[in-house]
Amino acid sequence: EVKLVESGGGLVQPGRSLKLSCAASGFSFNDYWMGWVRQAPGKGLEWIGEINQDSSTINYTPSLKDKFTISRDNAQNTLYLQMSKLGSEDTAIYYCAKAGFSGFDYWGQGVMVTVSS
Amino acid sequence: DIQMTQSPASLSASLGETVSIECLASEDIYNNLAWYQQKPGKSPQLLIYYASSLQDGVPSRFSGSGSGTQYSLKINSLESEDAATYFCLQDSEYPTFGSGTKLEIK
Repeated sequence: EVKLVESGGGLVQPGRSLKLSCAASGFSFNDYWMGWVRQAPGKGLEWIGEINQDSSTINYTPSLKDKFTISRDNAQNTLYLQMSKLGSEDTAIYYCAKAGFSGFDYWGQGVMVTVSS
Repeated sequence: DIQMTQSPASLSASLGETVSIECLASEDIYNNLAWYQQKPGKSPQLLIYYASSLQDGVPSRFSGSGSGTQYSLKINSLESEDAATYFCLQDSEYPTFGSGTKLEIK
């Protein structure tokens, strides 16, 4: 069974940084692209970015490219999202997701990040 | 970037009815389109990929169609468990989502 479990969320002050993790199991992690998607409260979904199997290609939505960094550790079956210079607009549920034939075929349960003083 | 215009924003239908949800892309996305169902407090679940391929385990009353810039999701014989928000996602270029359709079952 594919499982994706995000962690590292919580309350963070504006301007600070936060690193999310996503522990993967139930599939061969190093064979798949992985990505991050977020959803602000009551809003739609926003793709953050994705990383290929060996980390040689990482794509970001342009508006977040200078703030967020995606990485992975294939030995630990873990995906990461490093977020910096956080603002209130970054308050959202953050999902990690496994790439499928098109789009993402499995998603984690999500982790809440609240940016507030 | 490719914009996805999803309609309607909401709809209400009765048990057993058939409904359709549309996504219009701002340019040709070559069938690189997926449909998701999201229930409150839950993560999105993949229904359809490559515009018309049914994800394993998804009931056959869900179907997808379309090509070029126009795509649709059809749900036949609505059941109460189909009450949810539905999103489309294109990944022809860097991925973008539709704005969502909230389906209420009367």
